[in-house]
Amino acid sequence: AQSVTQPDIHITVSEGASLELRCNYSYGATPYLFWYVQSPGQGLQLLLKYFSGDTLVQGIKGFEAEFKRSQSSFNLRKPSVHWSDAAEYFCAVGARGAGNMLTFGGGTRLMVKP
Amino acid sequence: DADVTQTPRNRITKTGKRIMLECSQTKGHDRMYWYRQDPGLGLRLIYYSFDVKDINKGEISDGYSVSRQAQAKFSLSLESAIPNQTALYFCATSDPSGTGAAEAFFGQGTRLTVV
Repeated sequence: AQSVTQPDIHITVSEGASLELRCNYSYGATPYLFWYVQSPGQGLQLLLKYFSGDTLVQGIKGFEAEFKRSQSSFNLRKPSVHWSDAAEYFCAVGARGAGNMLTFGGGTRLMVKP
Repeated sequence: DADVTQTPRNRITKTGKRIMLECSQTKGHDRMYWYRQDPGLGLRLIYYSFDVKDINKGEISDGYSVSRQAQAKFSLSLESAIPNQTALYFCATSDPSGTGAAEAFFGQGTRLTVV
């Protein structure tokens, strides 16, 4: 069975600073990988996804993520954080051929200092 | 209007009561899911349905039941609510492409408190 670990429960960065949120997965083959963002009181919005091909994936709101098979990682990055990026971020893995059930990490809560 | 709508958005209920959370979608997707979110645990799958006649248990189905009334409607019931079912509940839909992969589209969540 697949699993996802987000090692950082909370991260605080200054506005304008760069950001990297870590995600490690466990799965026996190449998985489908997703990053979602949850703003307070809202549902989950897809930031980006990786299915195959180019391992550097561009998403919405200036985010990108890189799939590294050798490290079983799919870290999320943003070069310059805005105050509106404060939210909770979830990494998720989907198994190929398993009906699209996603397994989520525990989430990382991002706080942005002015 | 939202593509995936959950009602109610907030609910407080007493221990032992039966409660139903409803989800409707206008995306035309066959696949629907119920997840539960707890702090630090992310989202965990309760039940999922690939079509009206296909319903499956997820990781944490004990204490829950579901009904798929139509392609667009998927309800979650707590037969006898208990305090540790206090959580944020999400309904989601997906529509896999030819690759078998698809993102999930989420409702805005139902915050349930069992007292």
